[in-house]
Amino acid sequence: QKEVEQNSGPLSVPEGAIASLNCTYSDRGSQSFFWYRQYSGKSPELIMFIYSNGDKEDGRFTAQLNKASQYVSLLIRDSQPSDSATYLCAFYSGNTPLVFGKGTRLSVIA
Amino acid sequence: SAVISQKPSRDICQRGTSLTIQCQVDSQVTMMFWYRQQPGQSLTLIATANQGSEATYESGFVIDKFPISRPNLTFSTLTVSNMSPEDSSIYLCSVGGEANYGYTFGSGTRLTVV
Repeated sequence: QKEVEQNSGPLSVPEGAIASLNCTYSDRGSQSFFWYRQYSGKSPELIMFIYSNGDKEDGRFTAQLNKASQYVSLLIRDSQPSDSATYLCAFYSGNTPLVFGKGTRLSVIA
Repeated sequence: SAVISQKPSRDICQRGTSLTIQCQVDSQVTMMFWYRQQPGQSLTLIATANQGSEATYESGFVIDKFPISRPNLTFSTLTVSNMSPEDSSIYLCSVGGEANYGYTFGSGTRLTVV
């Protein structure tokens, strides 16, 4: 069974710090990995995706993928209170629908 | 990415009744997905709706309880039938992007069954 593991948190970081969110997945055939942000009462929105091993940067966000370790992470630099949300990781394998983790709740303290 | 209009945004329903949720996409898409998100939980896939064929349901979800229609490539409905308080949840439709891009979600329907 394809599974995604995330620490549910809450993860609390001070404003301006780096928030590090981690995710492990079970399916070695996974091809694509996604990070979604979900504010309370809102639907998830895609913020990053990564296919290849290594780092991918987009503004304050960096996604890191290590397929050998089946590990994907999201770093948020210069964290802001507006980053406080639940972050869901998900992976995609072949023609199956996206598999989502349970999400990590991030709280950025001003 | 696709833009999805989902309605209703919220509803309070009596147990034993049914509610139909609609999703309209601004472009043609092959697959649409229906998810449920219970309070404090992650997303659980209910079914995949394909145009021109029966929906594919995930384990634990059945067509009699969650009938789905997909009359064309831009529209789908999910009905929650014979509702009970356990059906209180957020229901989300989503569409897959091209080239393995992640899904786009509708704004969600917050359902409360009393």
